[in-house]
Amino acid sequence: ILNVEQSPQSLHVQEGDSTNFTCSFPSSNFYALHWYRWETAKSPEALFVMTLNGDEKKKGRISATLNTKEGYSYLYIKGSQPEDSATYLCAFATGGGNKLTFGTGTQLKVEL
Amino acid sequence: NAGVTQTPKFQVLKTGQSMTLQCAQDMNHEYMSWYRQDPGMGLRLIHYSVGAGITDQGEVPNGYNVSRSTTEDFPLRLLSAAPSQTSVYFCASSYLLQGMNTEAFFGQGTRLTVV
Repeated sequence: ILNVEQSPQSLHVQEGDSTNFTCSFPSSNFYALHWYRWETAKSPEALFVMTLNGDEKKKGRISATLNTKEGYSYLYIKGSQPEDSATYLCAFATGGGNKLTFGTGTQLKVEL
Repeated sequence: NAGVTQTPKFQVLKTGQSMTLQCAQDMNHEYMSWYRQDPGMGLRLIHYSVGAGITDQGEVPNGYNVSRSTTEDFPLRLLSAAPSQTSVYFCASSYLLQGMNTEAFFGQGTRLTVV
C-alpha cells in the first residue's frame, strides 16, 4: 500500500495570512501528483496536475511546487480568505498513471 | 452542463440487501472510478475503468462489482451489504492522456448507511 502523507492535518489561520501545506509521496515510479480542493458538502475539485520535477503551477492566489526526486509537493496560499476554507487533498498517480492514491488531506480554516 | 451525476444521494440498507449506485458522465471521459471516503482516511479506490468493457480492481474491491457497458455509465453494485460498507461513495471521471489521468471530475457523492 502506497503511503501518501499530508501535513499538517489541520490549520487555522487569520484572513490575510499566507500558508503552505506539504504532500509526501514515494519518490520512485512517479507519474503525476494531483491537488484537489474539497469544500464541505461539495465534491473535490481539481487545482493542479503536476508531472515534471521542478514543476510550479499557479491559479490565482494558490500555487504548488513539485520535487519528484525527494518525493514532496508544497501547496501555497497567499493572502488567505475565508472562502479558501476547505480540505486540500493531494493524490499520487500509480499503476501506469491511471490509479490515484489520496492523502488524508489538510483541513484549512480561515478566520476573520 | 451536468458533469458527473450520482444517484441516489442518500441510502439506508439493511445488512444483506443488494443495491446499485449509479454514476453517469456526459464529458466523453474514458476513465471512470469509484472511491469510498471514511473518517480519518483518504479517498480509497474501489474499482476503475479505462473504457467501455474494461474494468479493474482498486485498493478495496471486496464486496463490490462494477461493469462498464457504455462510455457514459459506471454503476457500482453492492451484492450483500455489510455495516463495514457504510461510507460516502464518490464516482469520478477523467480523460486519459498517454494512459495517465488528467484532472478528475467528481460526482456529488452517495452517503450509504448499512444497518
